[in-house]
Parts: sequence; structure tokens; C-alpha cells
Amino acid sequence: ETGVTQSPTHLIKTRGQQVTLRCSSQSGHNTVSWYQQALGQGPQFIFQYYREEENGRGNFPPRFSGLQFPNYSSELNVNALELDDSALYLCASSLELMGYTFGSGTRLTVV
Amino acid sequence: DAKTTQPPSMDCAEGRAANLPCNHSTISGNEYVYWYRQIHSQGPQYIIHGLKNNETNEMASLIITEDRKSSTLILPHATLRDTAVYYCIVRVNTDKLIFGTGTRLQVFP
Repeated sequence: ETGVTQSPTHLIKTRGQQVTLRCSSQSGHNTVSWYQQALGQGPQFIFQYYREEENGRGNFPPRFSGLQFPNYSSELNVNALELDDSALYLCASSLELMGYTFGSGTRLTVV
Repeated sequence: DAKTTQPPSMDCAEGRAANLPCNHSTISGNEYVYWYRQIHSQGPQYIIHGLKNNETNEMASLIITEDRKSSTLILPHATLRDTAVYYCIVRVNTDKLIFGTGTRLQVFP
């Protein structure tokens, strides 16, 4: 069984640009959640997709958006990047909203 | 906001038991206690979870007090590879995970 894979592993963007991060769920999982983890902090919930519908959202502005595809893979899009968006972005998948398996994350640096 | 309180850091000698406490005094009847850990530069890893009864698996044991207001994660024989940040989370089984700042466990030789 494959785990959760995220791409890219590292990324550098300029302030004001847009970025798309990708996540492949663990086989058989139909739920994907995205988290932002700033240095020295615990992961913060961004949003969750269950069977291609957004199923919950944390305290993040609309410039953070996402998609879940029929194969349950997912994208996180961030528009108008700000310096404070620099963080580790984590994707987690689960089956029917139960136990979560996390990927290793994408480290985004905004300069 | 996280509904748990954990000490920011702990030390443990290799081979000894590591006992990580967690307070969750406002836990609801249908909320489980989950433990995850995060080794540097990796995603969080599930360890164990429980509702009322004590639980044990190949990684750890979870002891939940009778009033469910606190719990302890026990790593019976800590190794250097157990050095990580440990997160205690309370949640309804289908809810999102809300992480606090966790306990940074340092296992030393």
C-alpha cells in the first residue's frame, strides 16, 4: 500500500506569485486535509475535502483554495503569496474521515 | 483552539520509559484522545488513540484517567529515534485534527 505523497518537496516563490501544491492520497482514502505548519508551531488546519466536496475550513483567507479530483488526489492553491505564507504544507488522507496518514510535506519559501 | 495542554519539553534516557502527560479537562463524552508525533522535517505520524479504556499497541500505551480529564502516553523503552514532538489531540472521530504546540521529547544516550 502506498502512503501519501506530496510534490514538490521544496519550492521558492516570490511575493505576489501563485503556487499549486499537489497531494496523492493513500490508496483507498477518500478524504484529504491540508495543514500549514510555521516554524516552531503545530500544524494549522486549512481545509478538508471529502468525496470531492469541501467539508470544513480553518481560519485561512479565500486566496487559499483547493480541489479534490475523482481519484481523490488533491491540490492546494495559494494566490497573491505573502512572506508569512512561508511554511511546511502538509497533506493528510483518510478513509471516511477516520484516522489520518500524513505526507512529508512541501516546504514553501516566499521571498 | 487546541483543547489540550502539554509540557513544552521533556527529556528521557535511552532504554527508560518516557511518560508524556496531557490535560484535556474540557473533553466531551464522544471525543477520543489521539496521539501523533512529528520527527524533524517529516509529517505527523499516528501513534495511538482511545476513548475510555487504556490502550496498547506496538508503539506505545495510552493511559486515560477515569474522569477522562487527563491522559499519559507511555513509550516503554525509549530509543534515540523516539526524539520528536508529541501531540495530544482530542476529537470526535470524524472531525479535523487540531494541533497544539506539543511536547518536544529529547531522548539522550
